[in-house]
Amino acid sequence: SQQGEEDPQALSIQEGENATMNCSYKTSINNLQWYRQNSGRGLVHLILIRSNEREKHSGRLRVTLDTSKKSSSLLITASRAADTASYFCATVPLSGGYNKLIFGAGTRLAVHP
Amino acid sequence: DAGVIQSPRHEVTEMGQEVTLRCKPISGHNSLFWYRQTMMRGLELLIYFNNNVPIDDSGMPEDRFSAKMPNASFSTLKIQPSEPRDSAVYFCASSLGGGQGVYEQYFGPGTRLTVT
Repeated sequence: SQQGEEDPQALSIQEGENATMNCSYKTSINNLQWYRQNSGRGLVHLILIRSNEREKHSGRLRVTLDTSKKSSSLLITASRAADTASYFCATVPLSGGYNKLIFGAGTRLAVHP
Repeated sequence: DAGVIQSPRHEVTEMGQEVTLRCKPISGHNSLFWYRQTMMRGLELLIYFNNNVPIDDSGMPEDRFSAKMPNASFSTLKIQPSEPRDSAVYFCASSLGGGQGVYEQYFGPGTRLTVT
């Protein structure tokens, strides 16, 4: 069963604009991770945020985590056509261990030149 | 490192046939995961191994599915007999660590399975 739910399901923007994707989850987590999947390819890890962190940056990516609301957001600034992909949040539950990831349904991002 | 290697990349088979998917994790990684991705159900974790031992197979849909990891560099996912509803993309991923570790997973390119 899916733990995370992404919002929106699809997002279409112009190059240079910012893209914000949200993720909500249900149970307590050890950490939350964001992955990107280009069409027909495997998933690629983008960023990991631990449950005791509130914000993290990596290049044009900014991730926030609000454990009280059980939600996270991924912001891509100054988007490029190459950012077109599906983006998934994945949670590692606090119980169960072993780095087990539970994925959301994903957000399909289209960046138009 | 070549990353996670999966074979075959595409498999087309007839209902009732046995299908074997293969995975070579990244050297040094001690956790291995099998996922299935479909439009209807998204990404589902089927089974994962830590140090070659199956830890949680609760995601395996039914007895037709089985997975093995005979050594640290090889794993198989077998479907016998296959059914059309097994059509999906199957991903293998590996990572460091275990327990309450905080590690990213590295995914292979996937095997696209079509059962007719």
